[in-house]
Amino acid sequence: DQQVKQNSPSLSVQEGRISILNCDYTNSMFDYFLWYKKYPAEGPTFLISISSIKDKNEDGRFTVFLNKSAKHLSLHIVPSQPGDSAVYFCAASARGSNYQLIWGAGTKLIIKP
Amino acid sequence: ETGVTQTPRHLVMGMTNKKSLKCEQHLGHNAMYWYKQSAKKPLELMFVYNFKEQTENNSVPSRFSPECPNSSHLFLHLHTLQPEDSALYLCASSQDPSGGSGELFFGEGSRLTVL
Repeated sequence: DQQVKQNSPSLSVQEGRISILNCDYTNSMFDYFLWYKKYPAEGPTFLISISSIKDKNEDGRFTVFLNKSAKHLSLHIVPSQPGDSAVYFCAASARGSNYQLIWGAGTKLIIKP
Repeated sequence: ETGVTQTPRHLVMGMTNKKSLKCEQHLGHNAMYWYKQSAKKPLELMFVYNFKEQTENNSVPSRFSPECPNSSHLFLHLHTLQPEDSALYLCASSQDPSGGSGELFFGEGSRLTVL
């Protein structure tokens, strides 16, 4: 059973609008969450993270929101740009599990001009 | 010079072949990882090396054999693979897996096709 779920395999958004990528998790022990971005033929690159002691973390156009009661996090990209077209992975870890990041299956974001 | 380099980028092999994937990191990190990415599936952690010592083996079949001669190099030796082993194999490194941020630095991956 997947502990980290990204239920939307793909998402299409108009350039300039807001992109919202969602991620749900089942393990209440997770205390650190990360988003990675992956272009074709490249490895994933770290984008933004959030600790469970926060409910929001912002970095430029990217904001991650964490709703612990709902076990849900989301990544907001605003405004969306063509270069944001990529696959976005959500990952989570629990204190004490160290390097055991648990990954979602990814959401392919397509930014339409 | 990129942070994490993987070779070869593409590999096609028969089920009876023996081949190896190579990973090198130039970031001074202490931990290195092998991940498997199959289409539309989450990344699967295969092996973790921390300070050259294997600290994790996630029930990976013995036809995959890792080797970490030093903290900068990581190999994945492949032998008698099955077609279902075809996937993208990603190498990653991090500064320190214990209590760290979890941020990983990935290579570009080795696309493996088993015929």
